[in-house]
Amino acid sequence: GEDVEQSLFLSVREGDSSVINCTYTDSSSTYLYWYKQEPGAGLQLLTYIFSNMDMKQDQRLTVLLNKKDKHLSLRIADTQTGDSAIYFCAESRAGGGNKLTFGTGTQLKVEL
Amino acid sequence: DTAVSQTPKYLVTQMGNDKSIKCEQNLGHDTMYWYKQDSKKFLKIMFSYNNKELIINETVPNRFSPKSPDKAHLNLHINSLELGDSAVYFCASSQAVGQGEAFFGQGTRLTVV
Repeated sequence: GEDVEQSLFLSVREGDSSVINCTYTDSSSTYLYWYKQEPGAGLQLLTYIFSNMDMKQDQRLTVLLNKKDKHLSLRIADTQTGDSAIYFCAESRAGGGNKLTFGTGTQLKVEL
Repeated sequence: DTAVSQTPKYLVTQMGNDKSIKCEQNLGHDTMYWYKQDSKKFLKIMFSYNNKELIINETVPNRFSPKSPDKAHLNLHINSLELGDSAVYFCASSQAVGQGEAFFGQGTRLTVV
């Protein structure tokens, strides 16, 4: 079955790096995503990685994928107060109708 | 330019009423979705349509009926609303089935009293 887990909270100081972790169970996952949700807003796609990749970097964001351990992480460099939000990882698989299975979400709090 | 737009943004209604939420996308995408986010922020897919045809129905009560008049629109009608239907409902679209990126609307916060 499909199960995607994340830790609920993460608190960092402004300027530090944040690392948000995600584990999933579906070995047939094709794409893995990171979405950001600010209070009262919709979901914003931050980045995604294809399952045959190990790493993807996009400006301050680095995604690491360990397919053997089914572990995905999102590193945010130089975290800013505007990065405070809930971060969701999600996965989709070929033949799954492109539906996204979301993780439980990680609330990132950036402190001054 | 709003890519995926939902109306209304907020909806407060009494138990037993029937209500609709509308969604439109101007991205030229073929596939549209409805997701439900509960009070604990957990997100789960409800429906998916590809080119006006239903492709995913995730065991949603039949009080919920999606309708897609054309591929740019996917509306959600809910009959006989219950307290447990209170949630934020998100519409989303993607280019096609199997294409990675999904773009989300701003959500409709439904409160049933």
